[in-house]
Amino acid sequence: EPEVTQTPSHQVTQMGQEVILRCVPISNHLYFYWYRQILGQKVEFLVSFYNNEISEKSEIFDDQFSVERPDGSNFTLKIRSTKLEDSAMYFCASSESRAGGDGYTFGSGTRLTVV
Amino acid sequence: GENVGLHLPTLSVQEGDNSIINCAYSNSASDYFIWYKQESGKGPQFIIDIRSNMDKRQGQRVTVLLNKTVKHLSLQIAATQPGDSAVYFCAEKGNYGGSQGNLIFGKGTKLSVKP
Repeated sequence: EPEVTQTPSHQVTQMGQEVILRCVPISNHLYFYWYRQILGQKVEFLVSFYNNEISEKSEIFDDQFSVERPDGSNFTLKIRSTKLEDSAMYFCASSESRAGGDGYTFGSGTRLTVV
Repeated sequence: GENVGLHLPTLSVQEGDNSIINCAYSNSASDYFIWYKQESGKGPQFIIDIRSNMDKRQGQRVTVLLNKTVKHLSLQIAATQPGDSAVYFCAEKGNYGGSQGNLIFGKGTKLSVKP
């Protein structure tokens, strides 16, 4: 079964450092997403990406965040200067269409710890 | 300050019993709803979905009920098994101006199945 792959599974970084979280979406999917989940809280939408540009972003996704699809397979989330409150699980997701359904697939996440 | 996080509602059931997990959604414009299962350390996993033109949909051992009048969604799991132990999230997706498929998640319910 196709899956969304995220690396690394766990990233520890010093406050103020830049981090890049990587995702390989499912190959025939066109829509890509990043979500985050602070420990014990609900999953929150960050950004959606389609046709090589951001299509929608939440208020969480401020100027410290950026996304990129550097090649035909990877989708990255960069945090320029990490803060303690950026510590969370970050999930990448992809879908074939906007419709959703069981084609909307999440990766296993990257646990980011900012110290 | 310290991130206390939200206390998740917990449902504890005996193996073999039926489980009912409830969710209230906020946006009457949402037209698509999904239930996800999240096991520890993993990303959300699709269980079942329902569109707003339906009030009931059945899958394998699971049924989703939608009451648009009171904006309430429920997930029924028949013959609950230990492998069903996880946190369950409902998610809604709107079909309103510019929405590009981002999901809005509920707070989650932790299901514990006693053998």
